[in-house]
Amino acid sequence: DGGITQSPKYLFRKEGQNVTLSCEQNLNHDAMYWYRQDPGQGLRLIYYSQIVNDFQKGDIAEGYSVSREKKESFPLTVTSAQKNPTAFYLCASSPATGGNEKLFFGSGTQLSVL
Amino acid sequence: GQSLEQPSEVTAVEGAIVQINCTYQTSGFYGLSWYQQHDGGAPTFLSYNALDGLEETGRFSSFLSRSDSYGYLLLQELQMKDSASYFCAGSGSARQLTFGSGTQLTVLP
Repeated sequence: DGGITQSPKYLFRKEGQNVTLSCEQNLNHDAMYWYRQDPGQGLRLIYYSQIVNDFQKGDIAEGYSVSREKKESFPLTVTSAQKNPTAFYLCASSPATGGNEKLFFGSGTQLSVL
Repeated sequence: GQSLEQPSEVTAVEGAIVQINCTYQTSGFYGLSWYQQHDGGAPTFLSYNALDGLEETGRFSSFLSRSDSYGYLLLQELQMKDSASYFCAGSGSARQLTFGSGTQLTVLP
């Protein structure tokens, strides 16, 4: 079955530590996205990538970094510079030619600070 | 940039019809999408309107009026499983979606 896989489902970060969230898709989509969701709020765009080896900052990129070395993979690193990292992180993808109106989401990673 | 406003909560009974409104302020607006998210789950795509008018998909319909910067999601024959959060999202240039804060729908028996 095609889809988007995020891991781990739950992640804990210690003070001053960098952590990496995994996102893999086998939908053959060109575009991939990372969103952050805080309780009772909408999704805010962190980073997105339209093609391999290229990515752009979203609305809240500070304290995060990404890479896009392969079409299937778009990992997100939450750095120690992100002072309030506790949130639900969602990865998504969309086909290149379909516009950005339909995103396919992974099941999310809940990140908490110890 | 874009901003979208929607009610935070809506409550309805099983079998009823409910409408969730969304107003937006945006530059470079292309279309309006709707997503459903159950607690702790992934958002799933429901509908997309690029043109004015009504789009119907089973029990769900979505409407857009560009001149009024307004859209809505209409859910008919409500079922308990429809209890979830519903997000409108504005589609703009640079392949970015901006999401509203979500409407928590509670369906009562």
